[in-house]
Amino acid sequence: KQEVTQIPAALSVPEGENLVLNCSFTDSAIYNLQWFRQDPGKGLTSLLLIQSSQREQTSGRLNASLDKSSGRSTLYIAASQPGDSATYLCAACYNQGGKLIFGQGTELSVKP
Amino acid sequence: GAVVSQHPSWVICKSGTSVKIECRSLDFQATTMFWYRQFPKQSLMLMATSNEGSKATYEQGVEKDKFLINHASLTLSTLTVTSAHPEDSSFYICSAPRQNTEAFFGQGTRLTVV
Repeated sequence: KQEVTQIPAALSVPEGENLVLNCSFTDSAIYNLQWFRQDPGKGLTSLLLIQSSQREQTSGRLNASLDKSSGRSTLYIAASQPGDSATYLCAACYNQGGKLIFGQGTELSVKP
Repeated sequence: GAVVSQHPSWVICKSGTSVKIECRSLDFQATTMFWYRQFPKQSLMLMATSNEGSKATYEQGVEKDKFLINHASLTLSTLTVTSAHPEDSSFYICSAPRQNTEAFFGQGTRLTVV
């Protein structure tokens, strides 16, 4: 069964700290992996997408890595800010069709 | 700007009534769209795959007669929650993937059944 797991479930850090969110997937034959941000009561904002042939993607203070052999992806957030507070979801896609399997999310709180 | 538009963003309905949620791809055609449901403090769970011009494919445990999906055009899919009950209260969100790019999501619909 294809499953995606995220740890930790919640994380609280002081402003300015660098942090890493973890995502693991049971089936390594992924097509791509995507990281999203979700604010309370809102929809999803796509942050980064990593194709299966890629090892990492960067956007501003965000860097996502992908290691298919170990079934893991990480989202690195540099110099965290209170505005980064949200739930971060990773999702694995196993074919071109676009169906995603989501992790449970990590609820991040950045304290000023 | 948004490439997938979902309406309404929130709806309150009485128990036993039906509610229709629309999902539109704004600047691309989507032969396939996906409907997800998210309960509070939980992740998104795929409910069904909406296929343009053919029947939707439902995930195990999702009642197809309760959650009617219609994908009548290449830019529009609708989800109708029929005979809604309080346990159907949830956050429903659609996505429309563009081939070889990321999945684009609608804004989501908060359904409350009273």
